[in-house]
Amino acid sequence: EVQLVQSGAEVKKPGESLKIFCQASGYTFNGYWIAWVRQMPGKGLEWMGIIYPADSDTRYSPSFQGQVTLSVDTSISTAYLQWSSLKASDTAIYYCARAYCPGDCYSWTHWGQGTLVTVSS
Amino acid sequence: DIVMTQSPLFLPVTPGEPASISCRSNQSLLHSNGYTYLDWYLQKPGQSPQLLIYFGSSRASGVPDRFSGSGSGTDFTLKISRVEAEDVGVYYCMQGLQGGTFGPGTKVDIK
Repeated sequence: EVQLVQSGAEVKKPGESLKIFCQASGYTFNGYWIAWVRQMPGKGLEWMGIIYPADSDTRYSPSFQGQVTLSVDTSISTAYLQWSSLKASDTAIYYCARAYCPGDCYSWTHWGQGTLVTVSS
Repeated sequence: DIVMTQSPLFLPVTPGEPASISCRSNQSLLHSNGYTYLDWYLQKPGQSPQLLIYFGSSRASGVPDRFSGSGSGTDFTLKISRVEAEDVGVYYCMQGLQGGTFGPGTKVDIK
């Protein structure tokens, strides 16, 4: 069974750094794109970017380019989303999701449970 | 950038009746490989999103056949043939042709 398990909720102060994870199981991690999606409180879904674990090919939404970094550790089938300096406006739920098929496939069938990040002074 | 719009943004429905949501993009979502990169997702209250339809009209595994997707180019429609109470939530279309962009969402609720 394909599973994506995300790290737990975080409470941080503005200016702090953070790295959250998405641990995959039940399939060949390297072969499927992983997406990250933001949902600010009471708002819709925002596509942040995607990463291909096999070669770390990464594509960011222009809105998130330079604001976050996507990475993977294939040895532990885990994808990461990190910030170097958080802002209050980063407060949101962050979802990871896996593509429905291997290779060039950009529909997202399997989703993590979401990680709530709260940034407040 | 590809911009996605949806209508209506709020849709009150009656169980057993049909429902329809429209989605439009500001440029064609047809790839040179022949596939149209338009998905539909449902986010039920308190849950992660779930994929309903991919490539505009292909139903994802486990999705009831009362859900169908149609359209081409820039105009797409999600139809529910007979709404059930469990279908409430927010429906998003998403383009996957150039990176990804979600529509604003359509909130479906029972009348």
